[in-house]
Amino acid sequence: DIQLTQSPSSLSASVGDRVTITCRASQDIGNSLAWYQQKPGKAPKVLFYASSILKNGVPSRFSGSGSGTDYTLTISSLQPEDFATYYCQQYYNTPRTFGQGTKVEV
Amino acid sequence: QVHLVESGGGLVKPGGSLRLSCAASGFTFTDYYMSWLRQAPGKGPEWLSYISDGGTYTYYADSVKGRFTISRDNAKNSVFLQMNSLRVEDTAVYYCARDHTDFDYWGQGILVTVSS
Repeated sequence: DIQLTQSPSSLSASVGDRVTITCRASQDIGNSLAWYQQKPGKAPKVLFYASSILKNGVPSRFSGSGSGTDYTLTISSLQPEDFATYYCQQYYNTPRTFGQGTKVEV
Repeated sequence: QVHLVESGGGLVKPGGSLRLSCAASGFTFTDYYMSWLRQAPGKGPEWLSYISDGGTYTYYADSVKGRFTISRDNAKNSVFLQMNSLRVEDTAVYYCARDHTDFDYWGQGILVTVSS
């Protein structure tokens, strides 16, 4: 199985901050990576697929990048509604696997 | 719009069984693979199983292989998860999701608690 390791596990930030979350895969996953945002009590919501393609309706302050084994989610200017937990997920092969999550808090 | 609604969760004793259902609407159901995932308290999501659009192909995570069975009824736009030999560690919120390489739509989730 492909292991995904996110860092950091949590971070404290303020409104307006630039936030970067990384996801490292245990092998090359060829950009087959999605990022999700999850708020308490809600299902995860997909933000990106193919590591950098923004889903419809996702604000442009979110961006994704990376290749091979290393991927990044960046929020250019953190907004109050962005405080949540973020997960990466690979679909390069089955079983699909998720990172352990990064909690973005005040 | 796309809507997925899970049902069938609840409290069950270890070794027991439950059958989860997921009713889909708002898209052409037969065009998509469907997956079940779960999320234990305080943990990240865990993918469990998928079923192909026509129902021919299924795949399971090792953690549920041999105990859980996924199926679908394309006439009723529904996908199911039969869960047998449940264990305490199966306690989680279970989600069905439309499988589009990423999981682009999720249900609201349903709680399954396995406890004596």
